[in-house]
Amino acid sequence: DTGVSQDPRHKITKRGQNVTFRCDPISEHNRLYWYRQTLGQGPEFLTYFQNEAQLEKSRLLSDRFSAERPKGSFSTLEIQRTEQGDSAMYLCASSLSTAGDTQYFGPGTRLTVL
Amino acid sequence: GQNIDQPTEMTATEGAIVQINCTYQTSGFNGLFWYQQHAGEAPTFLSYNVLDGLEEKGRFSSFLSRSKGYSYLLLKELQMKDSASYLCAVRGHGSSNTGKLIFGQGTTLQVKP
Repeated sequence: DTGVSQDPRHKITKRGQNVTFRCDPISEHNRLYWYRQTLGQGPEFLTYFQNEAQLEKSRLLSDRFSAERPKGSFSTLEIQRTEQGDSAMYLCASSLSTAGDTQYFGPGTRLTVL
Repeated sequence: GQNIDQPTEMTATEGAIVQINCTYQTSGFNGLFWYQQHAGEAPTFLSYNVLDGLEEKGRFSSFLSRSKGYSYLLLKELQMKDSASYLCAVRGHGSSNTGKLIFGQGTTLQVKP
C-alpha cells in the first residue's frame, strides 16, 4: 500500500500521560499536514511541514503539542500531559506541491483520554 | 474571518440525484475541495475546483462560483454506499502559502432504499 499510514490507529491513555503518534506520508510527497477532528465536525488544521521545516502552527496547538519531521519523511506528533479535551481523531495528510497539491489523508489515530 | 457553511444532514433515495451546497467566506482562495468520509474512516479526495464552472468525474460533479463564494457537489445515480459525510474545504492563501485546508462541518448524507 503506497498511501499515507498512521500508527497507532487507536490510543487510550489516562489524563496526564504523554502520547506520540507517527505518520508516514506518500513517499515522494514533500508537504505534510496534521489535523484534528472531533465528532460531527470537519478536520481542523494543526500544523504543516514542507520537507523537514515546520512552517505553520495553528493557535489550536498549545505548548503541550509538538511535531517533528526530522528527515523530511515521517512525522511525529507528541501531546504532553494529555487532557480529556484532547480526545479526538488525529489525521495526517500529505501532498506534492508540484502536482496540484491535493492532500491525501491517512486513516487517523483515535485518541481517548480517560 | 473564515467561514464555510454546508447543511448538516441530507436524505435521498437510492438511484436519485442529490446536490450538496457549500458557501464560503475566507481571507484568501486557492481552490475548493470535496472529500467523502465514511464513519470512522479518513477523508477520501473526490474533486477539486479552482476555476469557475463544472468538473465532472463519473457519478460525481462539482461546481464553483468564486464571485458568489459558492460550490456544490452533485451525486447522480445514488447508491447505498454513498451514505457518508461530505466535506467542503477551501485552500487559502497564507503568508507562508502553506496550502492548509479550512473545512466545513460536513454534510451527512443518508441514502435510503
